[in-house]
Amino acid sequence: AQSVTQLDSQVPVFEEAPVELRCNYSSSVSVYLFWYVQYPNQGLQLLLKYLSGSTLVKGINGFEAEFNKSQTSFHLRKPSVHISDTAEYFCAVTLEGGANNLFFGTGTRLTVIP
Amino acid sequence: NAGVTQTPKFRVLKTGQSMTLLCAQDMNHEYMYWYRQDPGMGLRLIHYSVGEGTTAKGEVPDGYNVSRLKKQNFLLGLESAAPSQTSVYFCASSSTWGDTADTQYFGPGTRLTVL
Repeated sequence: AQSVTQLDSQVPVFEEAPVELRCNYSSSVSVYLFWYVQYPNQGLQLLLKYLSGSTLVKGINGFEAEFNKSQTSFHLRKPSVHISDTAEYFCAVTLEGGANNLFFGTGTRLTVIP
Repeated sequence: NAGVTQTPKFRVLKTGQSMTLLCAQDMNHEYMYWYRQDPGMGLRLIHYSVGEGTTAKGEVPDGYNVSRLKKQNFLLGLESAAPSQTSVYFCASSSTWGDTADTQYFGPGTRLTVL
């Protein structure tokens, strides 16, 4: 079985400061990894994904994530956050070669403080 | 190109009532999904479909039924609503080919309250 753990339910950070949102996963088979963002009262939007190749993945809005197979982690980072980054962030995995079913973490609420 | 749309946006039901949530996508995607989102639990897969006329159970299928009679539509039914089904429901779709394969596109959600 596969599972996703987001260790921090809430992360407050001052504007223009760096941020890291942590994600660890467990799976007995190869997985693809995703980060989605959910702005208030909206659906989810893809930030970035890792399928294969370079372990450093760049996404939209200046976010990036690094896949670390030995630590089974896929942490999300941004060097300087803006007020508009305030949202809920979800890490998710899907099985390689499957029906794209996503298994989500419980989410991290990022609050950017002016 | 509207992407993924969901109808209705809000609904209040009494225990025991039935209803159907409609999801439509105009991207010609093969795969479609229904999730529910509850506080502190992330999103959990209810049912999914890998093509017209096919459906499969996800992580939390009990109390729900689905149908995919047309490729662009995926219906989620509650035959006898219970308060435990109070949640926000999201539909998503994905393609099986091209650069966007494996990426799910989500609708805006339906907020359902069961009294």
